[in-house]
Amino acid sequence: SQTIHQWPATLVQPVGSPLSLECTVEGTSNPNLYWYRQAAGRGLQLLFYSVGIGQISSEVPQNLSASRPQDRQFILSSKKLLLSDSGFYLCAWTPGTEAFFGQGTRLTVV
Amino acid sequence: RKEVEQDPGPFNVPEGATVAFNCTYSNSASQSFFWYRQDCRKEPKLLMSVYSSGNEDGRFTAQLNRASQYISLLIRDSKLSDSATYLCVVRDDSWGKLQFGAGTQVVVTP
Repeated sequence: SQTIHQWPATLVQPVGSPLSLECTVEGTSNPNLYWYRQAAGRGLQLLFYSVGIGQISSEVPQNLSASRPQDRQFILSSKKLLLSDSGFYLCAWTPGTEAFFGQGTRLTVV
Repeated sequence: RKEVEQDPGPFNVPEGATVAFNCTYSNSASQSFFWYRQDCRKEPKLLMSVYSSGNEDGRFTAQLNRASQYISLLIRDSKLSDSATYLCVVRDDSWGKLQFGAGTQVVVTP
């Protein structure tokens, strides 16, 4: 079966520290992968999407970057976190027209 | 103007009652539409796709009005467990980008 994994579930990081969130998909090949962020009480904001290895498109210029080193792995990174990077980060994939989400990472930057 | 707009609510609904709410979208070329449910501090989960002819899944009915560019969700015989935020999602089929509304909060009360 096809599943999506995302970790860690929660993270508290100091301002200026690096970040690495990982997302992997099982049971499929060459999925379209997405990173979204949801600020408290807000909608989902698309950060990055990828249609294949090494192919990353950024929707919103900011303090974050994404990489896709393997077909089913999508990584969200930052060299130096800002307070404004706090939020709920969600990885998603689209096997067809619908999107399915990982369980999310709740990031608090302190 | 936001690409997908929703009334944030909350819609306070007595148990057993019917509630309905809409979502408007700005891209007339959008082809795929969905309703997602998001519980507090959880990832969004697909509730139902919305088809041109309208569709029903148990107590949930979704409608699409292309002329006026909105979709709707109706919940009949509301249950306490229906309390959640309902996200409207529109897909840009040129490459599959999903646009999310900020969500409509529904609170079902005993």
